Amino acid sequence: EVQLVESGGGLVQPGGSLRLSCAASGFTFSSYDMHWVRQATGKGLEWVSAIGTAGDTYYPGSVKGRFTISRENAKNSLYLQMNSLRAGDTAVYYCARVGYGSYEGAFDYWGQGTLVTVSS
Amino acid sequence: SYELTQPPSVSVSPGQTARITCSGDALPKQYAYWYQQKPGQAPVLVIYKDSERPSGIPERFSGSSSGTTVTLTISGVQAEDEADYYCQSADSSGTYEVFGGGTKLTVL
Repeated sequence: EVQLVESGGGLVQPGGSLRLSCAASGFTFSSYDMHWVRQATGKGLEWVSAIGTAGDTYYPGSVKGRFTISRENAKNSLYLQMNSLRAGDTAVYYCARVGYGSYEGAFDYWGQGTLVTVSS
Repeated sequence: SYELTQPPSVSVSPGQTARITCSGDALPKQYAYWYQQKPGQAPVLVIYKDSERPSGIPERFSGSSSGTTVTLTISGVQAEDEADYYCQSADSSGTYEVFGGGTKLTVL
């Protein structure tokens, strides 16, 4: 069974840093592109970052230069290093797997999310 | 930056057909995907590559594409279908992902 379990969320002051983790199981982690998606309370989904199987990374302008996505295939883990955090980064952060073959391009599995609150 | 546009809300009575649209300039070039999200839960994929349905998703869910608009259709809506629905696609280069603003489906 595919499982994605996020951790590392919490309360952080503006300007602070936080590192999120996503533990993957039930599939060959190294073979899949992985993403982070966030959702502020009562708001829609927002794509945050992506990492390919070769380690290539992508970010939207809203987080580029502040967030860093990485992966450690030996530990079946995905990470998101978040620096210079702002109140607008407050959200539930989900890790999501991009499907393979027929499901290519689709976020076919999601974790349950971890809450990040940026406040003084 | 690239945007996908969805109506904020759609309301239907049980048994009727709900149609949720998503518009974006790159949709003729890029596939669209649809997700259902119920309160307090993670999103669930209901349609991939414009019109394909994942295993386990009821047949009443279908997708279509025409030009710059994709549509999620739910035929014979049931009370359990009440949820937020999001479309997702990529920009014309295929590099950056984007979600629509979401549509709240209310079953009257």
